[in-house]
Amino acid sequence: GENVGLHLPTLSVQEGDNSIINCAYSNSASDYFIWYKQESGKGPQFIIDIRSNMDKRQGQRVTVLLNKTVKHLSLQIAATQPGDSAVYFCAERRTGANSKLTFGKGITLSVRP
Amino acid sequence: GAVVSQHPSRVICKSGTSVKIECRSLDFQATTMFWYRQFPKQSLMLMATSNEGSKATYEQGVEKDKFLINHASLTLSTLTVTSAHPEDSSFYICSARIAGTRNYEQYFGPGTRLTVT
Repeated sequence: GENVGLHLPTLSVQEGDNSIINCAYSNSASDYFIWYKQESGKGPQFIIDIRSNMDKRQGQRVTVLLNKTVKHLSLQIAATQPGDSAVYFCAERRTGANSKLTFGKGITLSVRP
Repeated sequence: GAVVSQHPSRVICKSGTSVKIECRSLDFQATTMFWYRQFPKQSLMLMATSNEGSKATYEQGVEKDKFLINHASLTLSTLTVTSAHPEDSSFYICSARIAGTRNYEQYFGPGTRLTVT
């Protein structure tokens, strides 16, 4: 598969700083996007989602930005905390794929105390 | 709300044996559940989509006779790894969608670590 042999990229941030995690998606027809957080040895946990008719959505300490022109999705975490350290995955729902989600490769966020 | 459980959380089995993993939606009904496989430091790979009362839809390259999926009720799907081999060792994760909604969000279970010796 395309992920075989690849290691997840790592983003290292200082505690208290803002984090920006980026994701490029491939299918211009995708209409729904979601960010998940996965801690070691656990299942993914929902963070925030956004539909393609929006370009920004905010949650508690998190903001998702969608740029359909360049097929780019980002997750912003305000005032990053040690508990935010995890692997973050973006996922997209491709039109016509029913309810299947296609996951990106993932990025490791490491928070320095 | 929207809690998904998996059992067992860890299992070690001998090569050639079969292992069953259960996925349950605890506080909602799920007409659709998904089974993923994840290798260390890699992303989630969808294995199959499990629909209540019908046959599962397998992704390309996933052997349906090796990975048997049964979705007998709106709250339970099972994955049976038959004639397991060491290369089947992996982290298996299920997820579920809430029935009757147009929401594509999937709620994930905690995963099952399978080790085949």
